[in-house]
Amino acid sequence: QTVVTQEPSLTVSPGGTVTLTCASNTGAVTSDYYPNWVQQKPGQAPRSLIYSTSKKHSWTPARFSGSLLGGKAALTLSGVQTEDEAEYYCLLYHGVAQVFGGGTKLTVL
Amino acid sequence: EVQLLESGGGLVKPGGSLRLSCAASGFIFSSAWMNWVRQAPGKGLEWVGRIRRKVDDEATDYAAPVQGRFTVSRDDSKNILYLQMNSLKTEDTAVYYCTTGSDEGIWGQGTMVTVSS
Repeated sequence: QTVVTQEPSLTVSPGGTVTLTCASNTGAVTSDYYPNWVQQKPGQAPRSLIYSTSKKHSWTPARFSGSLLGGKAALTLSGVQTEDEAEYYCLLYHGVAQVFGGGTKLTVL
Repeated sequence: EVQLLESGGGLVKPGGSLRLSCAASGFIFSSAWMNWVRQAPGKGLEWVGRIRRKVDDEATDYAAPVQGRFTVSRDDSKNILYLQMNSLKTEDTAVYYCTTGSDEGIWGQGTMVTVSS
């Protein structure tokens, strides 16, 4: 069974920088896994931020960036704002299946 | 406006069936691979299944927990995605979202399905 692992929680100060990571128990995450990052705020539907490792949608704020880092997918927020407090999920493509990570709860304070 | 609007959720008994719909607008639905994703109360996101485009034979793929019980289909003439859910279990209780493929990145608002006796 494929398991995708994220940090359960992270805290960052407003204006700071934070990196969330996404690992797979099948080995190093590469661009072949087409890493996606999805943001979800309480009571709201998820919103896609990053796809195919580092591509942004038209609505994705510039302070969000995606990359590969040390065998993991990574989401970096630079110049964090209070509105970025949310749950962040990574999504990896494993063959025909898609697997979400457990999510990272990002607290901004 | 680009939009996905789910409907059809509700309360159903274990062993029962339900069909969800997802109406798409504002983009070329027939060109998009479409997914269903669910979220149990207080839990994370779980991919349920996917259907490819007509040119890709509308091939479907499913997560192991729903394989053989759920069926994803589409009607490109109506811009609607469906999820037929049979032999429902209490653990299928969740908000069900329809989403496009990664490139489009569109999510609906979700519809709640409760499986309980």
